[in-house]
Amino acid sequence: KNQVEQSPQSLIILEGKNCTLQCNYTVSPFSNLRWYKQDTGRGPVSLTIMTFSENTKSNGRYTATLDADTKQSSLHITASQLSDSASYICVVSRRYNTDKLIFGTGTRLQVFP
Amino acid sequence: GAGVSQSPRYKVAKRGQDVALRCDPISGHVSLFWYQQALGQGPEFLTYFQNEAQLDKSGLPSDRFFAERPEGSVSTLKIQRTQQEDSAVYLCASSLGRLLGAAYVLVFGPGTRLTVL
Repeated sequence: KNQVEQSPQSLIILEGKNCTLQCNYTVSPFSNLRWYKQDTGRGPVSLTIMTFSENTKSNGRYTATLDADTKQSSLHITASQLSDSASYICVVSRRYNTDKLIFGTGTRLQVFP
Repeated sequence: GAGVSQSPRYKVAKRGQDVALRCDPISGHVSLFWYQQALGQGPEFLTYFQNEAQLDKSGLPSDRFFAERPEGSVSTLKIQRTQQEDSAVYLCASSLGRLLGAAYVLVFGPGTRLTVL
């Protein structure tokens, strides 16, 4: 069982619509959680980083939430654009071993006009 | 440079051939990581350097994999006697400091896509 699980595996939405991606993790003890965007053929790009005490963080049209009690995070994308088409990867690091990030398998988002 | 660069971007190797993948991290970044990403999967940790010291190589899948960062900047990932299961994208990432509990941003390169025939 993966320590970081994401849902849905893939998602198709129309341009202008909102969507929410989910991340559940079992990594413990928790240090921080990151969301990355990975375009096809490119390396991942950081969207947000949240530590234990942070519940929400925004980066433009991207808003991430974190519930450290239930070990859940979400990434909400508002007013989607065609350029949002990418894989979104949830990454968790464990306290005392933050060098070894634990990656989810990602949600593949496709935005159609 | 402005970002992390990797070369070559694409590499095709015959089974049994040795390959060397290069990573140029952002100037001044202390930490450097190598990841292996199979198709449709998230990146998997291979190894980690802090300056020239290889502090963790627990993710290297076999002794055919070797990484070095002799001067604390450029790093090379070498794979000897490549096998078909080595086919993947190899991502390099660097960060300004050690990720100890703090939210240092990890900057990824574009990756090298290795195909072993």
